[in-house]
Amino acid sequence: AQSVSQHNHHVILSEAASLELGCNYSYGGTVNLFWYVQYPGQHLQLLLKYFSGDPLVKGIKGFEAEFIKSKFSFNLRKPSVQWSDTAEYFCALKEDNQGGKLIFGQGTELSVKP
Amino acid sequence: DTAVSQTPKYLVTQMGNDKSIKCEQNLGHDTMYWYKQDSKKFLKIMFSYNNKELIINETVPNRFSPKSPDKAHLNLHINSLELGDSAVYFCASSQDLGPYEQYFGPGTRLTVT
Repeated sequence: AQSVSQHNHHVILSEAASLELGCNYSYGGTVNLFWYVQYPGQHLQLLLKYFSGDPLVKGIKGFEAEFIKSKFSFNLRKPSVQWSDTAEYFCALKEDNQGGKLIFGQGTELSVKP
Repeated sequence: DTAVSQTPKYLVTQMGNDKSIKCEQNLGHDTMYWYKQDSKKFLKIMFSYNNKELIINETVPNRFSPKSPDKAHLNLHINSLELGDSAVYFCASSQDLGPYEQYFGPGTRLTVT
């Protein structure tokens, strides 16, 4: 079955530290990949997405992700985190012809200490 | 302008009751979804609708019945509520079933006592 795995359950960083959150998926076909963020008590917001083309994708708020097909990975990065980045981060996969559903990873809670 | 809205935001009810959650999108999208987020924050698809037609029913108990009166609305009715139904329910929409991002509503926190 198709799945998405996020390696880090809870990450704690100090402000200005660099961030990398891991995401791996299991599916051999064409995929669309997403990173969503959920700030405390709020709904999910799209950070960035990969459909095709340049495997290095830039998103909002200084986030970027790199699609590495050979590794089935789509890791999220940010060079310098801020306290306001404290949130839950979800990697998600959308397959072709599967009714549009997103398959989510387990989520990574990021806590940034001021 | 709220793109995807849900009501109510909070719902507290007793076991055995029947309740509904409403969702509306003003984005002109063709496809709408319901997701359930459990206490560990894991998100799982429940239903998807495209042009008012059911596309996905992801092994959800038949106590859950979605209804789409038009493309802009997807409501969720739950019969005979159980403790395990306590969760946050998110509605979402996308342009259609293709490679488009999904826009999420604010969520409805359902607590069954």
